[in-house]
Amino acid sequence: QVQLVESGGGLVKPGGSLRLSCAASGFTFSDYYMTWIRQAPGKGLEWLSYISPSGHTLYNADLVRGRFSISRDNGYNLLYLQMSSLGVDDTAIYFCARDGDSHPLDYWGQGTLDTVSS
Amino acid sequence: QSVLTQPPSVSGVPGQRVTISCTGSSSNIGAGYDVHWYQQFPGTAPKLLLFHNFNRPSGISARFSGSKSGTSASLDITGLQAEDEATYYCQAFDSSLLVVLFGGGTKLTVL
Repeated sequence: QVQLVESGGGLVKPGGSLRLSCAASGFTFSDYYMTWIRQAPGKGLEWLSYISPSGHTLYNADLVRGRFSISRDNGYNLLYLQMSSLGVDDTAIYFCARDGDSHPLDYWGQGTLDTVSS
Repeated sequence: QSVLTQPPSVSGVPGQRVTISCTGSSSNIGAGYDVHWYQQFPGTAPKLLLFHNFNRPSGISARFSGSKSGTSASLDITGLQAEDEATYYCQAFDSSLLVVLFGGGTKLTVL
């Protein structure tokens, strides 16, 4: 069965960096777009970034462009989100999800909580 | 502020029908991009509820249906049940912004 498991979240100080990982299993990872979405406490879903199956095509939301970077390792079935210059507004649960572009996000991980606080 | 506009809340009594709207523009829903809907319970990840406007993934009740017209889409829930109380999000691609958009979410309360 399809499984997505995020990790790497935690407490970080403003201005700091964090790298999130999403371990995929149960499907051919290299066949699918992958997406990162976040949800601030008590708020709605916010799309961040998606990456093509090959990793050659990336799209990022304006709010994270230049600060966050999506990447993938198809050999290890891993999706990454490198985050830098973090601010308190980046405090959220970060989800990875399968697929992207105009396609439905058919499977989601359970999310990992990132807290940016001094 | 989301580019896809949903009502913040809707409510209904058990057995009733409720509709949640999702209004976009000519660069997303109106450009022909499909709308997908997600259901989220507190403390859990969103779950795909409808894809490509009206298709139900395996296991989703036929009480959930969707439609799209012009620059808007709708999610209909018939025979409302207490277990339907959740937040619902629409999603579409925007060709002008080259981004994936989510609606702001609609919290459904079953009275």
